[in-house]
Amino acid sequence: AQSVTQLDSQVPVFEEAPVELRCNYSSSVSVYLFWYVQYPNQGLQLLLKYLSGSTLVESINGFEAEFNKSQTSFHLRKPSVHISDTAEYFCAVSPGMGYNKLIFGAGTRLAVHP
Amino acid sequence: EAGVTQSPTHLIKTRGQQATLRCSPISGHTSVYWYQQALGLGLQFLLWYDEGEERNRGNFPPRFSGRQFPNYSSELNVNALELEDSALYLCASSTDWDRGLAGYLNTEAFFGQGTRLTVV
Repeated sequence: AQSVTQLDSQVPVFEEAPVELRCNYSSSVSVYLFWYVQYPNQGLQLLLKYLSGSTLVESINGFEAEFNKSQTSFHLRKPSVHISDTAEYFCAVSPGMGYNKLIFGAGTRLAVHP
Repeated sequence: EAGVTQSPTHLIKTRGQQATLRCSPISGHTSVYWYQQALGLGLQFLLWYDEGEERNRGNFPPRFSGRQFPNYSSELNVNALELEDSALYLCASSTDWDRGLAGYLNTEAFFGQGTRLTVV
């Protein structure tokens, strides 16, 4: 069975500092990988996804994630965070096509302090 | 364009009662997904409706049920509420990716803000 582990439940960081949110997964089959963000009192929004091809994927707001097959990881990074990045971040994997197949991690709460 | 809307925002019920949660998908989306987000846990897939039919359900007991209406809106019903049913229930919608019109890789599921159900 597939599973997703987000290694940090909370990550406090100061504004303009770099951040890495860690995600590891277990799967015996190829997977699609996703990062979702949930801002306070809002639904989840897709941040970025890895489907195939280049192992480094980027979002429009400066986040990037790298798929590492040997380490079964999909860590999310940003070189300089803003207060507005404060949110809950969810890593998800899908062993096949279909949003009903998404397996989510427990989430990491990123708190950016001035 | 309106996003996925869910109602009510908050719902408080007592153990043993029934809860009904509602979801209106984005216009043009035919698929609706329900997820449960319990405190400290990731989202757990509950149900998938498409074109009025239940296409798949997650590992939840039968007292979790729902339906999809002709206008593609959806309702989630939870019978015989238990304390552990307290959670944020999220609805998502997407286009009919599995009919070859767009393909899974080119579509996205859009989430609503959720209904927070508290069972006391």
